Order: sequence, then C-alpha cells, then structure tokens
Amino acid sequence: AQSVSQHNHHVILSEAASLELGCNYSYGGTVNLFWYVQYPGQHLQLLLKYFSGDPLVKGIKGFEAEFIKSKFSFNLRKPSVQWSDTAEYFCAVPNYGGSQGNLIFGKGTKLSVKP
Amino acid sequence: KAGVTQTPRYLIKTRGQQVTLSCSPISGHRSVSWYQQTPGQGLQFLFEYFSETQRNKGNFPGRFSGRQFSNSRSEMNVSTLELGDSALYLCATSGLVTNEQFFGPGTRLTVL
Repeated sequence: AQSVSQHNHHVILSEAASLELGCNYSYGGTVNLFWYVQYPGQHLQLLLKYFSGDPLVKGIKGFEAEFIKSKFSFNLRKPSVQWSDTAEYFCAVPNYGGSQGNLIFGKGTKLSVKP
Repeated sequence: KAGVTQTPRYLIKTRGQQVTLSCSPISGHRSVSWYQQTPGQGLQFLFEYFSETQRNKGNFPGRFSGRQFSNSRSEMNVSTLELGDSALYLCATSGLVTNEQFFGPGTRLTVL
C-alpha cells in the first residue's frame, strides 16, 4: 500500500534557525506532492505543491521544498524560522493505488519555534 | 470567494447515538472528501464524493456513511457512535485542479 513517512514527530528550534522536515513517499510513478500546514486553532492550509517541472518549489511564507525522485523524497525547508511558524506540518500524496481525489498524509511534524 | 464551511464546529454525543456533519464546498467545487484526524492515527481518508456519487472510500466501518447533494454540499453520518470516533472531522473540496484540496475548519466530535 502507498505510504508517506515523516521522520520527525516534534522539532524544536530557536528563531532564525534553519528548518528541514523530511518526507518520503512510496509511489514509484509520476507523482504530485503537497505540504500542508495547520497552525494552532486553524484549518489545514496548502503550503506548497509539486506537480511537474522544476523540482525546487517555492510556497508561501518563505517555505520551499525539493523533489528528489531518486530518493522518493520531498523535504520541506526554510532558511530562517520565525515564532509564527509554530504549527504542525503534513506531507501528502494522492492515493494513486485507488483513484484520485483523496490524499494520503504523513503523521505530521510538530514544529515549535522558541522566541 | 468563500472557503469551505463545516457545521457544526463542535459536537458532544454519547455512545450509541448517531451524528450528521455538514460540509459546504467552495463555489464551483464538485469534489468533496472527508477525513478523520486523531492524535494517534493522524489524518485518515473516509470517502470522496463527486457529482453526487461516492468515488472513493477509505477503510472505515459501514457505520460511517456520506452523501452529496446536487448543489455539491455533502453530509457524513456516523451511526452507533463509539468512544473511538472522537476526532476532528475535516472536509476538503477540490475543483478543476485534481488533488489540490482546500480544507474546512473541521467539526470536533466528542463521544462520551
């Protein structure tokens, strides 16, 4: 079965530190990839997406992610985090094993940024 | 453009009862998906509706059901509630760009 793995359950950083959150997926074909963010008390929001083309994609709020097909990875990065980035981050892929229209999510990574 | 709306936002029920949750999609979106979010299991797909037809179903028991109306609004129903059904139920809708889903704020269901 398809799966998405996020390696870090909880990451704690100080402001201005650099961030990298890992995401690996299991599907071997052409793939769409997403990162969603859930700020405390708010709903899931799309942070960035990869459909095709440049493997380095830029999202909102200074986030970017790199698609590395050979490693089945789509890691999320930010050069300098802010306290307001405290949130839970989810990597997701469409369920190619079934039909499209639903997403398989990783377990999420909680990011806590200390001011 | 208004976002995805879900009602009610909070629900408290007791075991054995049933519950109906509602989702109104972004205007023009015809696909509505439902997810269950819990601390232990994370986000799990329940089902997806498109043009009033269930297009996809996740691995949940038959107590979980849904439907979609002609205006694309969707409801999900959980019968014979169990304590383990306590969760945040999220609705997500998508339009022309398949798989890019927009999420509502969720309904927090607590089963006592």
